[in-house]
Amino acid sequence: SSQLTQDPAVSVALGQTVRITCQGDSLRNYYACWYQQKPGQAPVLVIYGENNRPSGIPDRFSGSRSGNTASLTITGAQAEDDADYYCNSRDTSGDYLVFGGGTKLTVL
Amino acid sequence: EVRVVESGGGLIQPGGSLRLSCEASGLIFRSLWVHWVRQAPGKGLMWVSRTNSDGSDTTFTDSVKGRFTTSRDNTKNTVYLQLNDLKAEDTAVYYCTIGWKYYFEYWGQGALVTVSS
Repeated sequence: SSQLTQDPAVSVALGQTVRITCQGDSLRNYYACWYQQKPGQAPVLVIYGENNRPSGIPDRFSGSRSGNTASLTITGAQAEDDADYYCNSRDTSGDYLVFGGGTKLTVL
Repeated sequence: EVRVVESGGGLIQPGGSLRLSCEASGLIFRSLWVHWVRQAPGKGLMWVSRTNSDGSDTTFTDSVKGRFTTSRDNTKNTVYLQLNDLKAEDTAVYYCTIGWKYYFEYWGQGALVTVSS
């Protein structure tokens, strides 16, 4: 079983703000990365490190961490944000990587 | 433009072997780590392995340790994942993804490996 826990599904009204969370003991020591995946496509990195966006990722995506929980916030969700989101970080040993189970975001 | 392309997937019987290739362009391949991540049909992502810039440091998740190996040829900007003693639960799309030791940015489109008799 994954050492990172995500809610299976979250929904948000178009233009509203949504927070997707990821819980795990290792997150007390390590930052999470966040990946967006649309059906039939490869994942795309949207947030890494403390709160960094790769080139081309809109600034409505942001990341944060508090205690054992990492969060991905989308401020002003758009229809194209409808996708699966996965968090990823080191495990409690610090050497291996693990993914959360994924959150399906529905933009209404 | 960065391009990452996997090849070598296919249908293989349980206990068989397969080699996946990952070729990259548009980035300084020899300086970067290469990871493999797989996704079983209808399931989530699972990290499989990582290899450092010269191939001397490789780590595998426990479920494939002893069965999978990696190698890389920086003259060809290519990393190989050798899958041995394949099991039905290894059936997945295998993504090659390139970046740093603990996170990765550039992904290929994946190679489907189906283990079935």
